[in-house]
Amino acid sequence: DAKTTQPPSMDCAEGRAANLPCNHSTISGNEYVYWYRQIHSQGPQYIIHGLKNNETNEMASLIITEDRKSSTLILPHATLRDTAVYYCIVRLHSGSARQLTFGSGTQLTVLP
Amino acid sequence: NAGVMQNPRHLVRRRGQEARLRCSPMKGHSHVYWYRQLPEEGLKFMVYLQKENIIDESGMPKERFSAEFPKEGPSILRIQQVVRGDSAAYFCASSPLLAGVSGEQYFGPGTRLTVT
Repeated sequence: DAKTTQPPSMDCAEGRAANLPCNHSTISGNEYVYWYRQIHSQGPQYIIHGLKNNETNEMASLIITEDRKSSTLILPHATLRDTAVYYCIVRLHSGSARQLTFGSGTQLTVLP
Repeated sequence: NAGVMQNPRHLVRRRGQEARLRCSPMKGHSHVYWYRQLPEEGLKFMVYLQKENIIDESGMPKERFSAEFPKEGPSILRIQQVVRGDSAAYFCASSPLLAGVSGEQYFGPGTRLTVT
């Protein structure tokens, strides 16, 4: 699986959009970008994933650059409960499941 | 629709005792993964199981650790003769048999093991 690079920490004001970047310059054509988050002491939570098109769900939006070497997770209206460590993971998608490789992630702190 | 269940949530063991951690996957899920998170560190994959089969145990320590996922009942992560370095949060995740177009995993709340 391709390696990812994320800033170690970011702050965001409550109610504003949080934009979390991720670099994955060695991504291959059949690897997907996944985002998970871990709120303090809880189990990780799946957020969103994509291949090359931008994706949106009820939690977030995922913007992947045209060359697929980087992506941005957008939380449109951050709340205090969005304070967490956010992990960007690049992995093959296949019909058989495979383990996730977590890096250091980005500690997002939403400020009141 | 119940999520991934883990028990106990907290477990205290003395050095040398055995620890048994249980994980019940989401309904309809037949893939189970165990991850460990040491204090102030990231999540590390340990083992991947399907019903009655260990698929990948490349992240498991070679000694004292074992895992199973029987035909009936929860998946069990067993740690024999625990040492202080085993103190960590152990998370279980599950995914469905047919991952289809998505490969997301659903995590339980974790078991926090403390070895005294």
